[in-house]
Amino acid sequence: DAGVTQSPTHLIKTRGQQVTLRCSPISGHKSVSWYQQVLGQGPQFIFQYYEKEERGRGNFPDRFSARQFPNYSSELNVNALLLGDSALYLCASSKGQGADEKLFFGSGTQLSVL
Amino acid sequence: TQLLEQSPQFLSIQEGENLTVYCNSSSVFSSLQWYRQEPGEGPVLLVTVVTGGEVKKLKRLTFQFGDARKDSSLHITAAQPGDTGLYLCAGEEAGSYQLTFGKGTKLSVIP
Repeated sequence: DAGVTQSPTHLIKTRGQQVTLRCSPISGHKSVSWYQQVLGQGPQFIFQYYEKEERGRGNFPDRFSARQFPNYSSELNVNALLLGDSALYLCASSKGQGADEKLFFGSGTQLSVL
Repeated sequence: TQLLEQSPQFLSIQEGENLTVYCNSSSVFSSLQWYRQEPGEGPVLLVTVVTGGEVKKLKRLTFQFGDARKDSSLHITAAQPGDTGLYLCAGEEAGSYQLTFGKGTKLSVIP
């Protein structure tokens, strides 16, 4: 079975541009979470979606938005890119949203903002 | 916002040595997870500990959750080059679905 897939794997943008990152969860998983990992840091929670509804949001500005589609795939959008948005963006999926659910991470999208 | 402090930040050891990595917080977590991440990849879950005082073993890796559920440790016996990677601890607050990650411990095992 395929794991969590993310696209694109790498992306280069300039300041002020907008970017859309995509994530396909493991088949049968209904929850998708997004994390930002800056170089040298641990992942930081951005959003969680379950059954197409936002269930959690981290401490990120409104420039960051996301949605989940009926097939449970998800997109993360970032507007008005800043240099500080350069990071590895990780998507994780799980069957449900409970505290004991096992998270499976994708390999991430490496975003560079110039 | 709950914070997780990991120590040491970097660790370089010879193959066959033992090591312990620590994860500490001033807050209580309902569960704590340990992940290993390799360059260019996402984190992979190693273990989840839920009960205070719980000890779990995964081959040469031993994980312990503190009695007060505020801290955890990861002990590796007879480290091998394949253990090289970034070890991350992550805690889940009660009633929340988000994980709070530490900054990680970058382990290098030299053959």
